[in-house]
Amino acid sequence: NAGVTQTPKFRVLKTGQSMTLLCAQDMNHEYMYWYRQDPGMGLRLIHYSVGEGTTAKGEVPDGYNVSRLKKQNFLLGLESAAPSQTSVYFCASSTFPSGTSTDTQYFGPGTRLTVL
Amino acid sequence: KQEVTQIPAALSVPEGENLVLNCSFTDSAIYNLQWFRQDPGKGLTSLLLIQSSQREQTSGRLNASLDKSSGRSTLYIAASQPGDSATYLCAVSGAGGTSYGKLTFGQGTILTVHP
Repeated sequence: NAGVTQTPKFRVLKTGQSMTLLCAQDMNHEYMYWYRQDPGMGLRLIHYSVGEGTTAKGEVPDGYNVSRLKKQNFLLGLESAAPSQTSVYFCASSTFPSGTSTDTQYFGPGTRLTVL
Repeated sequence: KQEVTQIPAALSVPEGENLVLNCSFTDSAIYNLQWFRQDPGKGLTSLLLIQSSQREQTSGRLNASLDKSSGRSTLYIAASQPGDSATYLCAVSGAGGTSYGKLTFGQGTILTVHP
């Protein structure tokens, strides 16, 4: 049982390049989330999904797109990377939306992205 | 819009000391509050979850309290150890509107426990 995994762990991009971050979970969770963590700002929600084939915007969605074609995978795409997207990206999953039960979100180890 | 603030931003204590981390939030309409631990270069691990109807939760040397009406929570760590060194994050789960079921995080408190 690997939990939540993220690929890649590190990446350096040039401004304008594109890339996709992959998140995979093996816990059969319905809900999946993408966050970014910047110094002094905590984690902020980018996009989330409430089930296979669904996506929704979070707090800071601009410049990102997501897809949930399979229940176990949640992809985060940057079409044209900008230096402001330099951050650490975390994926998380949960059985229910936080608050409807005692279930919590399970987090991946993160992807450190630098945009030059 | 929910805002979560953690004080202090950083804390350094000698081993064995008892300590308190503080978290405050602006909107009392929450389902629960969670405390997470984050080790350098790692993801977040949930330590304690307090439902909005509860006042506190305990796990080993950790005790978290919640005063929803005043928008405050504290994480108490007893007899601190060097292995407790990490960043501690507080997060609240929204109970209504567009914040339903989503976590809002504080900036975190960086804890260092030195031998």
